[in-house]
Amino acid sequence: GNSVTQMEGPVTLSEEAFLTINCTYTATGYPSLFWYVQYPGEGLQLLLKATKADDKGSNKGFEATYRKETTSFHLEKGSVQVSDSAVYFCALIKEQGAQKLVFGQGTRLTINP
Amino acid sequence: GAVVSQHPSWVICKSGTSVKIECRSLDFQATTMFWYRQFPKQSLMLMATSNEGSKATYEQGVEKDKFLINHASLTLSTLTVTSAHPEDSSFYICSAPQPGHNNSPLHFGNGTRLTVT
Repeated sequence: GNSVTQMEGPVTLSEEAFLTINCTYTATGYPSLFWYVQYPGEGLQLLLKATKADDKGSNKGFEATYRKETTSFHLEKGSVQVSDSAVYFCALIKEQGAQKLVFGQGTRLTINP
Repeated sequence: GAVVSQHPSWVICKSGTSVKIECRSLDFQATTMFWYRQFPKQSLMLMATSNEGSKATYEQGVEKDKFLINHASLTLSTLTVTSAHPEDSSFYICSAPQPGHNNSPLHFGNGTRLTVT
């Protein structure tokens, strides 16, 4: 079945630093790809998504491009803020035709002022 | 936007007792809901799919008799952890897809932290 491998954390950066969190996937076909964010004590929120190859998802200054050549969906942000401190999950549809998600292991990001 | 509400947000119970967790879709109907479990500092693992009007479908390795799921209506699914033990302590999260958005992300509840003493 489909699977996703995510860069292990934790990641600690200073405010205004550049962020990259790597995510690669194994999948049958070309499933939609997602990044979710989990703030402390909260559930998951969708950060961005891409539904087909070469699509770029973006939100709140974060971007990720669906690259089928490298089977990757890396998350990037040019200048992080303290408020970006959270756990980030890369995800994709587990099975074609279903809406079950399979998640990466999560990357804990801490931004220091 | 669509909202999924989960209750309670946290619960502490004694070993051997049962705990019920509710998941509600507040402004849309959900014939399907998903239950995930998250261990500390780990990813979410899909436990089961809750189906309105029929039995839940469980992922491999999930005990059906321990984690009872009931999809009582088009807006409510419940997860009951029966005869809870300390190893059941975890963060449980439900989610639901918004109708008409087959390729859309799921909406997640805020999770329930269960601690079994």
